[in-house]
Amino acid sequence: DVKVTQSSRYLVKRTGEKVFLECVQDMDHENMFWYRQDPGLGLRLIYFSYDVKMKEKGDIPEGYSVSREKKERFSLILESASTNQTSMYLCASSFYENSYEQYFGPGTRLTVT
Amino acid sequence: DAKTTQPPSMDCAEGRAANLPCNHSTISGNEYVYWYRQIHSQGPQYIIHGLKNNETNEMASLIITEDRKSSTLILPHATLRDTAVYYCIVRPEGVYSGGGADGLTFGKGTHLIIQP
Repeated sequence: DVKVTQSSRYLVKRTGEKVFLECVQDMDHENMFWYRQDPGLGLRLIYFSYDVKMKEKGDIPEGYSVSREKKERFSLILESASTNQTSMYLCASSFYENSYEQYFGPGTRLTVT
Repeated sequence: DAKTTQPPSMDCAEGRAANLPCNHSTISGNEYVYWYRQIHSQGPQYIIHGLKNNETNEMASLIITEDRKSSTLILPHATLRDTAVYYCIVRPEGVYSGGGADGLTFGKGTHLIIQP
């Protein structure tokens, strides 16, 4: 079974803090994704990576950056957390051959106060 | 991308087959039908996808009509743990082609409630 793990299930940070969200997958997937999910707005793609050190901006990259130094690990960084970044953050991965068959982690519920 | 239409909610008795419909009348020839579900407070879960032939895996069966304008996801023996929001989307199958990332987007889906 594909396993995607995220570093925390719940996180509380203060405005202005730098926040790191880590994601690890064990299926040797080439593609990895970071989404946020908010009530009424659905799932929105923040960043996507199709290879080590490669990244593509999604729909809402502002205020975020990513890092992919190893194939199995994809990190999302909030450079200076703001209250409007309070959300559920979801990591996913997929094989290169079919980018829409994605496997998700359990999510990190981030609260910025 | 083709849009999909699903009923907002459905009930099913535990142990019975749950049949979830989806309309996608504007689907194009290279687009697949994908199904995901999301149990409350968990990440979405991939279920199955197909192009035109019926597909079955350990979780579910996918029946696509001959004209491909609609499909049905079947959970053969529903359990309480199958209570979730089920999403039907259409996307091409294949490698990312560049030019900006295109992630998954879900509509409102069908809230399936399995009754004991």
